[in-house]
Amino acid sequence: DGGITQSPKYLFRKEGQNVTLSCEQNLNHDAMYWYRQDPGQGLRLIYYSQIVNDFQKGDIAEGYSVSREKKESFPLTVTSAQKNPTAFYLCASISGALSNQPQHFGDGTRLSIL
Amino acid sequence: GQNIDQPTEMTATEGAIVQINCTYQTSGFNGLFWYQQHAGEAPTFLSYNVLDGLEEKGRFSSFLSRSKGYSYLLLKELQMKDSASYLCAVRARDSNYQLIWGAGTKLIIKP
Repeated sequence: DGGITQSPKYLFRKEGQNVTLSCEQNLNHDAMYWYRQDPGQGLRLIYYSQIVNDFQKGDIAEGYSVSREKKESFPLTVTSAQKNPTAFYLCASISGALSNQPQHFGDGTRLSIL
Repeated sequence: GQNIDQPTEMTATEGAIVQINCTYQTSGFNGLFWYQQHAGEAPTFLSYNVLDGLEEKGRFSSFLSRSKGYSYLLLKELQMKDSASYLCAVRARDSNYQLIWGAGTKLIIKP
């Protein structure tokens, strides 16, 4: 079945550690997104990529980094510079940024600090 | 700047009808999406509006008025499984055509 796979489902980070969240899609979508969701809040855009080898900062990019070396993959690294990383992280994709089709989401990764 | 407002929480009775409102301020409106999100899960798509009027999909309908910056999601024949958060998201030129999300409305269904 086509879809978006995020891993791991749960992740724990130690002080000063970088961690990487995986996002893979087999929908042949061009655009991919990373969102952060805090309790009781909406989704906030961290980074997005509209095409391979290109990505843009979203509203809260500080302390995060991404790469888009393959169309299928858009990993997110939460660096030690992100002082409050505890949140629910969602990856999404869409065939084109202006498509009337909805964004498809992975099941999310819940990140906590040890 | 962009702003999206939704009520924080609503309560309704099983079998009834509920309307969840969403108001937005954007420049260069390019579409509005409604998603459902159960606790601890990813959002799932419900509806899309880009032109004024009502879109109906089974028990769910969504309405848009671009001149008023207003949308609502109407849920009929409420079931217990409809207890979830409902997120309104707007795409516009002034957000570089990326979705801006409301904080969501938590809907509680009582028997």
